[in-house]
Amino acid sequence: QQPVQSPQAVILREGEDAVINCSSSKALYSVHWYRQKHGEAPVFLMILLKGGEQKGHDKISASFNEKKQQSSLYLTASQLSYSGTYFCGTAPGAGNNRKLIWGLGTSLAVNP
Amino acid sequence: DGGITQSPKYLFRKEGQNVTLSCEQNLNHDAMYWYRQDPGQGLRLIYYSQIVNDFQKGDIAEGYSVSREKKESFPLTVTSAQKNPTAFYLCASRLDGTNQPQHFGDGTRLSIL
Repeated sequence: QQPVQSPQAVILREGEDAVINCSSSKALYSVHWYRQKHGEAPVFLMILLKGGEQKGHDKISASFNEKKQQSSLYLTASQLSYSGTYFCGTAPGAGNNRKLIWGLGTSLAVNP
Repeated sequence: DGGITQSPKYLFRKEGQNVTLSCEQNLNHDAMYWYRQDPGQGLRLIYYSQIVNDFQKGDIAEGYSVSREKKESFPLTVTSAQKNPTAFYLCASRLDGTNQPQHFGDGTRLSIL
């Protein structure tokens, strides 16, 4: 079952914050977050594991709510370089971690 | 530097022609993947391979074929049976083990002439 990402698109001014959600109808073991700029390869951001672990990467952090089967990506004080499409990839179990189920992406545009 | 190399960057296919997209990695990764990306449709898995000489179909394998004769290489052939091949194709690899991320190549853009 494909995870649902929300919102589909968001436009920010530089310095504003944003939250991107990734929700699944099935139990999740892990959620992987990637950012892709147009015409380029997706770049790995972080992996969130079952257990509600929160991770941070510069001013980008994420959480995993096991009860809600949802992960949220937080972008704080956004920079122009944050623009791109954010994808979540989900894995239902540790053994299934080799094959991810991808969301459709959230397009983020940061303007000066 | 270690990484994943996809070639060519751009490829044009004539009607009825098979074309092969190359994917090579020097990361010593075990698993390799091929994805197709169309506008607004995210990443769709075509084939994946966890070990040499073994591969599995993904969600949209029809019209495609792969081989995994060497650990470093996972070429994708787009056959003439694939009637709508125009897309951005991404290759990825991953070290085996729990919670290892996938690393992507720069992609090949395939168009029909």
